[in-house]
Amino acid sequence: QQQVKQSPQSLIVQKGGISIINCAYENTAFDYFPWYQQFPGKGPALLIAIRPDVSEKKEGRFTISFNKSAKQFSLHIMDSQPGDSATYFCAARGSSGSARQLTFGSGTQLTVLP
Amino acid sequence: DAGITQSPRHKVTETGTPVTLRCHQTENHRYMYWYRQDPGHGLRLIHYSYGVKDTDKGEVSDGYSVSRSKTEDFLLTLESATSSQTSVYFCAISEGVPGELFFGEGSRLTVL
Repeated sequence: QQQVKQSPQSLIVQKGGISIINCAYENTAFDYFPWYQQFPGKGPALLIAIRPDVSEKKEGRFTISFNKSAKQFSLHIMDSQPGDSATYFCAARGSSGSARQLTFGSGTQLTVLP
Repeated sequence: DAGITQSPRHKVTETGTPVTLRCHQTENHRYMYWYRQDPGHGLRLIHYSYGVKDTDKGEVSDGYSVSRSKTEDFLLTLESATSSQTSVYFCAISEGVPGELFFGEGSRLTVL
């Protein structure tokens, strides 16, 4: 079974601080790594994504860092804001056949204090 | 927002009763998915569809069946609900091989 392990389970950050969420995977055949953001009562929504041939991708205050050799990737939220308070899920996609579906991490509940 | 409607949004039922959740999309996307979300487990794929009458199992398919008779509708059926199926169920769609998934707002099911 493909797995993506996510940590921490919960994270509390002061406004203006940096939030860091980490994920690790085992399957070297994963070829796409998205992050989803979910607000209470809503469905998850794609936040940012990266492919394994790139080590970093930045969109505004959100950055994915990818370490292929360590099979790890992380989400960094710079200048964290109370509006960023949400649950974040990392995910990975298999590269062939029926495995070409997203496997999600267990989620990180982020709270940004004002 | 992607045109995805889930119904019902909330349901309470008793063990052993059948339950059907409906997902309706207006985007004409080929792929449709059912996930369940549970604390500590994230989102787990139950079943997915890659076209009308074309479906396949996901990671946690036991106890669930699906049907897709029209592009826009994807039904999830629990033939005999159990307490372990208490969860929040999300439908998602994608235009091609995922990719970006667009999620509905979820259906909260409680099995007593």
